Amino acid sequence: SQTIHQWPATLVQPVGSPLSLECTVEGTSNPNLYWYRQAAGRGLQLLFYSVGIGQISSEVPQNLSASRPQDRQFILSSKKLLLSDSGFYLCAWTTSANEQYFGPGTRLTVT
Amino acid sequence: TQLLEQSPQFLSIQEGENLTVYCNSSSVFSSLQWYRQEPGEGPVLLVTVVTGGEVKKLKRLTFQFGDARKDSSLHITAAQPGDTGLYLCAGLGSGGSNYKLTFGKGTLLTVNP
Repeated sequence: SQTIHQWPATLVQPVGSPLSLECTVEGTSNPNLYWYRQAAGRGLQLLFYSVGIGQISSEVPQNLSASRPQDRQFILSSKKLLLSDSGFYLCAWTTSANEQYFGPGTRLTVT
Repeated sequence: TQLLEQSPQFLSIQEGENLTVYCNSSSVFSSLQWYRQEPGEGPVLLVTVVTGGEVKKLKRLTFQFGDARKDSSLHITAAQPGDTGLYLCAGLGSGGSNYKLTFGKGTLLTVNP
């Protein structure tokens, strides 16, 4: 069966510091991968998605970036965090039917 | 840009009551999915509806896709405290946007014992 992992689970970072969040998927190959941000337990904002290694599509202009160095690895990064980057970050992968399965999320607090 | 409007945003009811959550759009979706999310966790897929007019049942939950595939509803019968959570609908576009889901802002349901 497929599983998706995210780490760290929680993170507290000062403004201006770098960020690296990692997501890995097991049990499937060549998945579409997604990064979302969720503010205050409400709707999901799509940040990036990837349909293959090295292929990244950005949905929202911001100081975040994403990379996919391996088939089942998706990384969300920032060079300098802003207060507004605080939130709950979710990674997801899709089945062939475009049903999304989410990781457990990373709670990021920028202080 | 495709948008999905969910209503109500917040719903607090007593155990045993029935409720309906709505998900509406002016856009046509090739499919629509419903998720439930508990605090501090990722959303969990409940159901996918694909055909206009389709009705799916999952125990006490009934999901319906509108005939024109622009809207959907989730009906819960005899709600229980375990149903508490954030319910999200998400639509899959067609053509060039079929890699992306458009999410509604969610309905936060609280079922009081």
